[in-house]
Amino acid sequence: GEDVEQSLFLSVREGDSSVINCTYTDSSSTYLYWYKQEPGAGLQLLTYIFSNMDMKQDQRLTVLLNKKDKHLSLRIADTQTGDSAIYFCADLMNSGGYQKVTFGIGTKLQVIP
Amino acid sequence: DAGVTQSPTHLIKTRGQHVTLRCSPISGHKSVSWYQQVLGQGPQFIFQYYEKEERGRGNFPDRFSARQFPNYSSELNVNALLLGDSALYLCASSLMGWDPTNEKLFFGSGTQLSVL
Repeated sequence: GEDVEQSLFLSVREGDSSVINCTYTDSSSTYLYWYKQEPGAGLQLLTYIFSNMDMKQDQRLTVLLNKKDKHLSLRIADTQTGDSAIYFCADLMNSGGYQKVTFGIGTKLQVIP
Repeated sequence: DAGVTQSPTHLIKTRGQHVTLRCSPISGHKSVSWYQQVLGQGPQFIFQYYEKEERGRGNFPDRFSARQFPNYSSELNVNALLLGDSALYLCASSLMGWDPTNEKLFFGSGTQLSVL
């Protein structure tokens, strides 16, 4: 079955860059996503990348995709305390007429002032 | 435009009871999916509905059921609640127009269900 793996915890100093990594197993993934979840809140779609792209940049966010190694990363430049949250890597598969998103366990980002 | 809305935000039930959770998708979206997020885990896919039909189902028992209405809103029903059903239940909507550039899921804030 599909599997998405990511590290559990990352701590960075305010102003530094954060890099959150993720690996996935499903080679038929069409989209890969990064979602942000703050305490007690739902999921906020941060950014996404289509599976035929290598990189996507969106303001402070850079997504890199290595399709050969099934590796996805999210880089947050100039990390701020407001970036402290849990970040979920997820992949979308269109299968048998429906969409299924498989999430990783989430990486908790702690930003130290 | 309003985002995905879910009700109620919090719910407390006891074992054996039944619960109904509600979701309204983003205007124009025809597909609703339900996910269960247990504390400390990523969300797990339960169902996807499109045009009032179930299109996909995750590895959940038959106690979990759902339906979608003509206005594309949806209900998730869980019967015979177990302690392990305590979780955040997330609803997501998408266009489901089979246009790859539009196939993104937008999530609501969820319903926190506690089973005692």
